[in-house]
Amino acid sequence: KQEVTQIPAALSVPEGENLVLNCSFTDSAIYNLQWFRQDPGKGLTSLLLIQSSQREQTSGRLNASLDKSSGRSTLYIAASQPGDSATYLCAVKEDDNAGNMLTFGGGTRLMVKP
Amino acid sequence: GAGVSQSPRYKVAKRGQDVALRCDPISGHVSLFWYQQALGQGPEFLTYFQNEAQLDKSGLPSDRFFAERPEGSVSTLKIQRTQQEDSAVYLCASSRGFGVFTDTQYFGPGTRLTVL
Repeated sequence: KQEVTQIPAALSVPEGENLVLNCSFTDSAIYNLQWFRQDPGKGLTSLLLIQSSQREQTSGRLNASLDKSSGRSTLYIAASQPGDSATYLCAVKEDDNAGNMLTFGGGTRLMVKP
Repeated sequence: GAGVSQSPRYKVAKRGQDVALRCDPISGHVSLFWYQQALGQGPEFLTYFQNEAQLDKSGLPSDRFFAERPEGSVSTLKIQRTQQEDSAVYLCASSRGFGVFTDTQYFGPGTRLTVL
């Protein structure tokens, strides 16, 4: 059974710092990996989706990398801002026709202090 | 609306009551998913529909949980005889495709269920 782990569980940084969130998964047979943002009381917003054949994806100040063989992904946030404060979740979709669902990690709660 | 909507946003139930949670996916989306998110944890898969067909219900925790999507659009998650451990946020997501072509899942705001 696929297991996804995110480290750290919580992170507090001053505004302007660059930071890295980590995600690991136990079964490397994945179809893709997504990073989501979740704000309190709201649903999940997809930030970046990396296909299994890709190594990284970038969107603005966000960069996500994928090392499928080692079961790891990182989300890099440059020049963090207070508005980045949220919970960040990574999720994998397995390489299986029947496995359409996403398997999520427990999330990293990020607080960026002004 | 342009996004996935869910109702009610908040539901308080007494232990033993039945509840029904509604999801309106994005129009035209083939795939619909239900997830359960306990406090401080990531979402966990409950069930998956392709149009009106429920293709995967392996994540439903017990036979008290039942989901349907009779016309291939709106879906309802029903929980019978609620228990305290059912307290969680229930998230619905939809995506345009299906199978290995399932693309980005768009999530609704969730329904927060509290069982007293």
